This record gives sequence, C-alpha cells and structure tokens, in this order.
Amino acid sequence: DAGVIQSPRHEVTEMGQEVTLRCKPISGHDYLFWYRQTMMRGLELLIYFNNNVPIDDSGMPEDRFSAKMPNASFSTLKIQPSEPRDSAVYFCASSFPGTSVHEQFFGPGTRLTVL
Amino acid sequence: AQTVTQSQPEMSVQEAETVTLSCTYDTSESDYYLFWYKQPPSRQMILVIRQEAYKQQNATENRFSVNFQKAAKSFSLKISDSQLGDAAMYFCAYKKTSYDKVIFGPGTSLSVIP
Repeated sequence: DAGVIQSPRHEVTEMGQEVTLRCKPISGHDYLFWYRQTMMRGLELLIYFNNNVPIDDSGMPEDRFSAKMPNASFSTLKIQPSEPRDSAVYFCASSFPGTSVHEQFFGPGTRLTVL
Repeated sequence: AQTVTQSQPEMSVQEAETVTLSCTYDTSESDYYLFWYKQPPSRQMILVIRQEAYKQQNATENRFSVNFQKAAKSFSLKISDSQLGDAAMYFCAYKKTSYDKVIFGPGTSLSVIP
C-alpha cells in the first residue's frame, strides 16, 4: 500500500483565498483524522471521521474551516477565507480498529503558507 | 480531560550513547494505549513503539524500549546506541481504549552529536 497520501505537499496562497487540502487514507482504514501542527500549539486534532461520518469536530478552530469525506477513499479540508495565522503543517492520518492497538498512520503533511 | 506532558523540550545525546525521554500523562482510565512517535526533519510521523496499559511488561523494539510505570502515570522512552538518524522530534501520545482520539504531548527535540 502507498500509505496515506496528501496533496499538495506545499501550498502558498494569499490572505482571503480559499485553500483545499486533500487526503487519501490507506485502503480499508475506516477512521480518518485531520491534524494541524504549529510551533506554538504543537499537534492539534481538528476533526476525525468514522466510516465517512464526522465524529468529533471540536478542534476545528473557526467556521472558516470545513472538512468533508464524500467516500471512504477521499477527504478534504477547506479553509475559506484563509488568514496568515492558518499557516501550519496539516496532517491527515488513518487507522483501522481491527488491529489491536488502533495505530494511526500519518501522511507526509501539507505545509500551508498564507501571505 | 486527558493530558500528556513532556517536560524536556530539547535533549541531546552523544552518538552510541543512551538517552531517556520523559513523558507523563493524566487519566482516570485503567485501560488505554501509549505511543511514542518520531518526526524527523522530513516531517513524516513514524510510530516508534507502543504499550498497552494492561500489559506489565515494558515494550521493546530493537534499540528502543520504554519504562512504563502505570501507578506513576509515567512512560519514558530509552534509546540505546544512539545513531545520527535518531535525531528528530519525539512525541508521546495517549489513547483511550474505547475512544478514538489520540492526545499528543508537546514533543521533545532530540539532537545526536557525532
């Protein structure tokens, strides 16, 4: 398996623009997580899905952030409008509770810079 | 609420030596999982080792081992025979058995001195 795939790897945009980050989880994994990593706040869980249904979005910072999972193999995280303080590395991770420990497998991350 | 604390923001170790990274956590649960993740400069998060709370035996993966003290809620990572490739951020993480959210600590930046 190719692992968790994220695109783009780098995104530079201007304040006010819409940004869409994409994630393809590992095939067969039914949990998908979106994290944000910054120097100031560390690794934060934004939202996670189970079987394509959002379970906990309490970490989503504002209404400007939205996430969808239209099917088992694809999820998006959208920021509209983007602001400089949204600059961070965004990770997607997936897991399969059929294993005994629910290990999370992370994608390579998307580095977002909002100017 | 569960929390994970890593009190050492930065650590350094001489190549081939041993280093121990500290982690404490707070929980009222009796059954849970603990993890150490490594994040090298490439940014990729890699699982290093995991421990089930119901197991008394400390987990070991090659040069990596943990000291799990359940009563003290302590979960330290020992890296033996440190190598240059061990230089990375290390995150301690906690997960309830029945709940799916993983709580990450703030991380410890490990430098390996040649």
